[in-house]
Amino acid sequence: KNQVEQSPQSLIILEGKNCTLQCNYTVSPFSNLRWYKQDTGRGPVSLTIMTFSENTKSNGRYTATLDADTKQSSLHITASQLSDSASYICVVRASGGSYIPTFGRGTSLIVHP
Amino acid sequence: EAQVTQNPRYLITVTGKKLTVTCSQNMNHEYMSWYRQDPGLGLRQIYYSMNVEVTDKGDVPEGYKVSRKEKRNFPLILESPSPNQTSLYFCASSLLGVLSYNEQFFGPGTRLTVL
Repeated sequence: KNQVEQSPQSLIILEGKNCTLQCNYTVSPFSNLRWYKQDTGRGPVSLTIMTFSENTKSNGRYTATLDADTKQSSLHITASQLSDSASYICVVRASGGSYIPTFGRGTSLIVHP
Repeated sequence: EAQVTQNPRYLITVTGKKLTVTCSQNMNHEYMSWYRQDPGLGLRQIYYSMNVEVTDKGDVPEGYKVSRKEKRNFPLILESPSPNQTSLYFCASSLLGVLSYNEQFFGPGTRLTVL
């Protein structure tokens, strides 16, 4: 069964600090992995997509990595801001025509001043 | 503005009273989907549609119905709501692509409480 596991479940950091969120998956055959940011009470918004051939991709202070061999991805946030407080969700899609994504349960990040 | 809209945003109802949550998108997307989000469980797919008149079950379809009569609209129907359907519901849409790379755009959510 396709699964996506995220860690940690929750994280509290001080403003200005860096942090790394993890995503491990068993989805196969792999097509792509997306990181979404979900602010409290709002719908998720895509931060970045990683495909099989990509190792690293940045979007401002967010940098995602992908190791397709170990089936792991990470999302690194640099110089955190209060507005980074949100839930970060890892979503993996299989290739082969399946349009059903597999969602992780998310990491809840709280950034304190 | 390109967006997915849902109505209502908040709803409190009683067990057994049929309700419909509407979803509409203005991006001409083929793919639309409904999710529910519960604490500790994350987002779970209820139903999805790959085009008009084409719908299929997701992971948790029991107790829900959908229809796709028009490309832009994808309503979620609860024929006889029960308290275990109390949840936060999201509609999403995307273009269809061969390699399923396309980003899903999510609506603002509907918070449903069934008493």
